[in-house]
Amino acid sequence: DQQVKQNSPSLSVQEGRISILNCDYTNSMFDYFLWYKKYPAEGPTFLISISSIKDKNEDGRFTVFLNKSAKHLSLHIVPSQPGDSAVYFCAASASNSGTYKYIFGTGTRLKVLA
Amino acid sequence: KAGVTQTPRYLIKTRGQQVTLSCSPISGHRSVSWYQQTPGQGLQFLFEYFSETQRNKGNFPGRFSGRQFSNSRSEMNVSTLELGDSALYLCASSLGAANNGYTFGSGTRLTVV
Repeated sequence: DQQVKQNSPSLSVQEGRISILNCDYTNSMFDYFLWYKKYPAEGPTFLISISSIKDKNEDGRFTVFLNKSAKHLSLHIVPSQPGDSAVYFCAASASNSGTYKYIFGTGTRLKVLA
Repeated sequence: KAGVTQTPRYLIKTRGQQVTLSCSPISGHRSVSWYQQTPGQGLQFLFEYFSETQRNKGNFPGRFSGRQFSNSRSEMNVSTLELGDSALYLCASSLGAANNGYTFGSGTRLTVV
């Protein structure tokens, strides 16, 4: 049972345009969400997070939006740069459950075309 | 400060063998989590250790086990290797409280032949 889903395995965007990566979750207990970026042969690196008490969080070119009623979050990258080409994972946790683990999606491979 | 160190980086084993992977977390981090990454499956949670105790376990068979030492270093062991165990094994360290993000190591690429 995949509790965190990234239904688009890949996405191609022109340099300078907006990249939108989507993530859906099924567990209503999830209250903390993160996005990670992964380059080949490296471990994932943290990008941005959001708590369920917010619906938006920005950090430079990266903005994460959370729609709790739809159990959906998205990562916007504006403007997209060729160096953003990587696999992006969303992850979720239920901080009040005492489980101390993150559930990851299957990832979306972003390709930014120069 | 030093990051999360995983050794070895690459490993080739034969079916039926056993393997031990090592992870040294960031200094001061007491939680170590292990994930398996395979194409199309994303990162699958194996287990998490905090202060030498396993706090969480994923849905993997008993062939997968781990432990954590008093210095927070962790090892993961896979016995009776199967071809399907070929994957990138990632270790992540954190301070261990809820909503503490992870810092990942570069992973160990295990190939079972």
